[in-house]
Amino acid sequence: EAGVTQFPSHSVIEKGQTVTLRCDPISGHDNLYWYRRVMGKEIKFLLHFVKESKQDESGMPNNRFLAERTGGTYSTLKVQPAELEDSGVYFCASSLIEPGQGTYTGELFFGEGSRLTVL
Amino acid sequence: LAKTTQPISMDSYEGQEVNITCSHNNIATNDYITWYQQFPSQGPRFIIQGYKTKVTNEVASLFIPADRKSSTLSLPRVSLSDTAVYYCLVAPPGFQKLVFGTGTRLLVSP
Repeated sequence: EAGVTQFPSHSVIEKGQTVTLRCDPISGHDNLYWYRRVMGKEIKFLLHFVKESKQDESGMPNNRFLAERTGGTYSTLKVQPAELEDSGVYFCASSLIEPGQGTYTGELFFGEGSRLTVL
Repeated sequence: LAKTTQPISMDSYEGQEVNITCSHNNIATNDYITWYQQFPSQGPRFIIQGYKTKVTNEVASLFIPADRKSSTLSLPRVSLSDTAVYYCLVAPPGFQKLVFGTGTRLLVSP
């Protein structure tokens, strides 16, 4: 079974340019999250989708960041215009909706991340 | 969410047992304790989760005392490939907005 895949693995852009990161969650996972680690800091939550709806976007740093999940499948995270402080690794994760029975851990499955370098 | 405290780093040798302790004094009644592992250039990976007493899987064991104010991740007979950062998280199951602290950087040497 394919895991969470992210593209590109690394992107180098200049300040002011636009970058779009893509995430393909595990098939059947309705929950999709974006997290990021900027230089020297801890991994921070950005936002959470349930299917195509934004459930929580309280971690989005500002309006230069736009996340979409049309059709409830893959998601994109666009940064426009990119600033130097946006450099870091952007992780996507997916998980199941809590089932009605059985052991449920809420495990998040993370992708390998997209490294963004803004020059 | 309860704040967690864990050592910044630990060193070990191949074949040894490694125990990483995490403090979470303000853990809530419905919180579970979850550990993730992260290798360089990869995303975090779920290792184990528990609520109380002891949980064991094919990778690790998790020991949780009765007061649940701390927990210990135990890795039996570590190998070089266990070199990674280990994160202790406390949250209700299915809580979406995970808070990753600094984690514990484990270095396993030959």
